[in-house]
Amino acid sequence: QITLKESGPTQLKPTQTLTLTCTFSGFSLTPGGGGVGWVRQPPEKALEWLGVIYWDEDKRYSPSFRSRLTITKDTSKNQVVLSVTDMDTVDTATYYCVHVDVGTFDSWGQGMLVSVSS
Amino acid sequence: SSEVTQPVSVSVALGQTASITCGGDTIGTKRVHWYQQRPGQAPVLVIYRDDKRPSGIPERFSGSSSGNTATLTISRAQPGDEADYHCQVWVSTTEVVFGGGTKLTVL
Repeated sequence: QITLKESGPTQLKPTQTLTLTCTFSGFSLTPGGGGVGWVRQPPEKALEWLGVIYWDEDKRYSPSFRSRLTITKDTSKNQVVLSVTDMDTVDTATYYCVHVDVGTFDSWGQGMLVSVSS
Repeated sequence: SSEVTQPVSVSVALGQTASITCGGDTIGTKRVHWYQQRPGQAPVLVIYRDDKRPSGIPERFSGSSSGNTATLTISRAQPGDEADYHCQVWVSTTEVVFGGGTKLTVL
């Protein structure tokens, strides 16, 4: 059974950098293990894809966030870290980490609401 | 960037069939995946690659795709099916797009 859980700060001020950690179990970021991605959802709005990292360090970022986004992994700890620079109030959202397998987001973390305000 | 569009809301009578569409220029050449999101919960994959059902998802959920439109069909709708439904497409190897989500109401 695959599980994922997000952790990190729930409140930030504008211009700060968001760093979230996804700790997962039930799979490994090794050949055949797929990837780990990030999706966010502003309150009462649609899902937005941020990016994904695969077992071989291949990374794909949304064009809308590429300049602000970094995703890294620690295979030994079964963790993936998302960093988003220059946070703004419009970045207030629930952030989900997801297991990516053959293009599908087949398992999701519970999500973490991150609020940005001055 | 490419867009996919969904109706904002769909209503269905209890026990009847609901259809939720996902349209866009890229739909015809891409695989579409569908997620159910109940209030206050994380999304759950209910259909992948147009018409495949993950284990544990009831047979009442089915998917299809034709031309520039993909459709999620929910047969014998139940109160527990009330949720937001999101379609998702990889429009390229580097870009994922979600539809705006459809709120399903079971009357």
